[in-house]
Amino acid sequence: EAGVAQSPRYKIIEKRQSVAFWCNPISGHATLYWYQQILGQGPKLLIQFQNNGVVDDSQLPKDRFSAERLKGVDSTLKIQPAKLEDSAVYLCASSLRGAGGASFGPGTRLTVT
Amino acid sequence: AQSVSQHNHHVILSEAASLELGCNYSYGGTVNLFWYVQYPGQHLQLLLKYFSGDPLVKGIKGFEAEFIKSKFSFNLRKPSVQWSDTAEYFCAVNIPGNTPLVFGKGTRLSVIA
Repeated sequence: EAGVAQSPRYKIIEKRQSVAFWCNPISGHATLYWYQQILGQGPKLLIQFQNNGVVDDSQLPKDRFSAERLKGVDSTLKIQPAKLEDSAVYLCASSLRGAGGASFGPGTRLTVT
Repeated sequence: AQSVSQHNHHVILSEAASLELGCNYSYGGTVNLFWYVQYPGQHLQLLLKYFSGDPLVKGIKGFEAEFIKSKFSFNLRKPSVQWSDTAEYFCAVNIPGNTPLVFGKGTRLSVIA
């Protein structure tokens, strides 16, 4: 089966600019996650969707980050405006409901200058 | 909330040496446990997982892990490492059900000839 797809793979922006990332999960996976992985740390959950509804966004900095999954398939994560500390790899993952674990995409490496 | 501790930040081993990476979690209830691996330039991949049953689980590429409930531990082992095992290893936990993974900070393994 095709894996989780993400684009772009790399993005460099200046602080205060906006950026958007796209994710296409594995077909049939109702649960979708966005994680942030800062260099030297493990992935940290930003938001979890079940179909097109938000299950957990408690760690999403909502003053600058937003995410949507309008049709319950693809998802976009946006940062506006970006800060230097947003430099990280943004990982998208998906899973079957209740399966445990998740399959991860290749990530988008964001550099904010 | 759950948390995961990985004791070693960077481990350097010679080929054919035995490997043990430590992982402890904090949560009083039932958990699912995972080890993920990230090879250089690649995305996170599942090595093995424990849900219930035999506490010794075997994964891909000769890796195994043992769940010791009394110690809240899930250490990863491999009897003889190869150069190709050079990667970053992440321990993760979630609560059974449709809950997100919580990751440790990761352990970087370097295998030298």
